[in-house]
Amino acid sequence: QKEVEQNSGPLSVPEGAIASLNCTYSDRGSQSFFWYRQYSGKSPELIMSIYSNGDKEDGRFTAQLNKASQYVSLLIRDSQPSDSATYLCAVGSQGNLIFGKGTKLSVKP
Amino acid sequence: DADVTQTPRNRITKTGKRIMLECSQTKGHDRMYWYRQDPGLGLRLIYYSFDVKDINKGEISDGYSVSRQAQAKFSLSLESAIPNQTALYFCATSDPLKAAYEQYFGPGTRLTVT
Repeated sequence: QKEVEQNSGPLSVPEGAIASLNCTYSDRGSQSFFWYRQYSGKSPELIMSIYSNGDKEDGRFTAQLNKASQYVSLLIRDSQPSDSATYLCAVGSQGNLIFGKGTKLSVKP
Repeated sequence: DADVTQTPRNRITKTGKRIMLECSQTKGHDRMYWYRQDPGLGLRLIYYSFDVKDINKGEISDGYSVSRQAQAKFSLSLESAIPNQTALYFCATSDPLKAAYEQYFGPGTRLTVT
């Protein structure tokens, strides 16, 4: 059974701080990795994709991938209260996505 | 207009009733998916379709059926609804020619079975 593991949180950070979200996966053959943001009662929204080892930056978001350690992370710089949401890690495997259960992030003003 | 639409957005039904959830997309994507989301259990794949003639069971297909009427339409049916099918249901699409695993979600249908 292929799995994606995330700390459920909640992760609480003060406004302006860096939020660090982590994810591990079991399928060593996976090549595609994603972060989705989901506000309460809303649908998941794709915010980052990463396919190669290293860092990928997009605005305040940085995704980090280490395939050897089977580890993906998302850093959110200058966190804002509007970043408060559940963040889902997803890994591509055999044509489909396997989702983690999500980490709930709370950014306190 | 939204690229992926779902109808209805909310539905309350009784045990034993048949119900259909519909998904339409204007993204031109070949691949479509149905998920359910329950608190603490995350997103779980029910069925997926890679094109009109290709339909596959996902992780939790028991009690559900699907129909891919056209490239743009993918419907999910609960033949005889039961209370543990109360959940938030999402449709998603992806384009295998661009980024096969990047999935885009509809707004969801909140289903309550009493």
